[in-house]
Amino acid sequence: QVHLVESGGGVVQPGRSLRLSCAASGFTFRNFGIHWVRQAPDKGLEWVAVIWYDGSSTHYADSVKGRFTISRDNSKNTLYLQMNSLRVEDTAVYYCARDNGAWDYWGQGTLVTVSS
Amino acid sequence: DIQMTQSPSSMSASVGDRVTITCRASQSIRNSLNWYQQKPGEAPKLLIFDASTLQSGVPSRFSGSGSETDFTLTISSLQPEDFATYYCQQTDYTPRTFGQGTKVEIK
Repeated sequence: QVHLVESGGGVVQPGRSLRLSCAASGFTFRNFGIHWVRQAPDKGLEWVAVIWYDGSSTHYADSVKGRFTISRDNSKNTLYLQMNSLRVEDTAVYYCARDNGAWDYWGQGTLVTVSS
Repeated sequence: DIQMTQSPSSMSASVGDRVTITCRASQSIRNSLNWYQQKPGEAPKLLIFDASTLQSGVPSRFSGSGSETDFTLTISSLQPEDFATYYCQQTDYTPRTFGQGTKVEIK
């Protein structure tokens, strides 16, 4: 059974950093690209970043480019999102999602709150 | 970036109603259109991919149609568990973009 489990969220002050993790199980992690998607409180879905199955390519939303870094460790079946220079507007639930053409499995999300 | 526009943004409907949600892309995305359902406090769930292919395990009352710029999600007979927010998403271009969502509420 496919599972994606995010962790690492919490409350952080503006300008600080946080690293999210997404632990995968139940499928061959190294065969799939994985996305980070976020959802601000009572708002819609916003794509954040993607990393290819082998880590060879990454892409970012303009809103996070230069501040966030997506990476993966295929030996640990884990995806990461390093978030630096956090802003109040980065407050959201962050989901990881498997790319199988469509995004067929999502984690339950982890809440990041950026507040002074 | 490709803009995805859903209509309506919200709607009220009764159990048993036929519900139609539309999604329009700002330029052609061929059939690279997915639909997701999201309930409060839960992650989105894939319903339909490639505009009209039903994801495994999704009830057949859900269907999708369209191509290029205009797409439709139809629920043939609304059930109590279908009250949720629905999002379209294009996967033809990066960045992947979502519609703003359509909230289906109980009348």
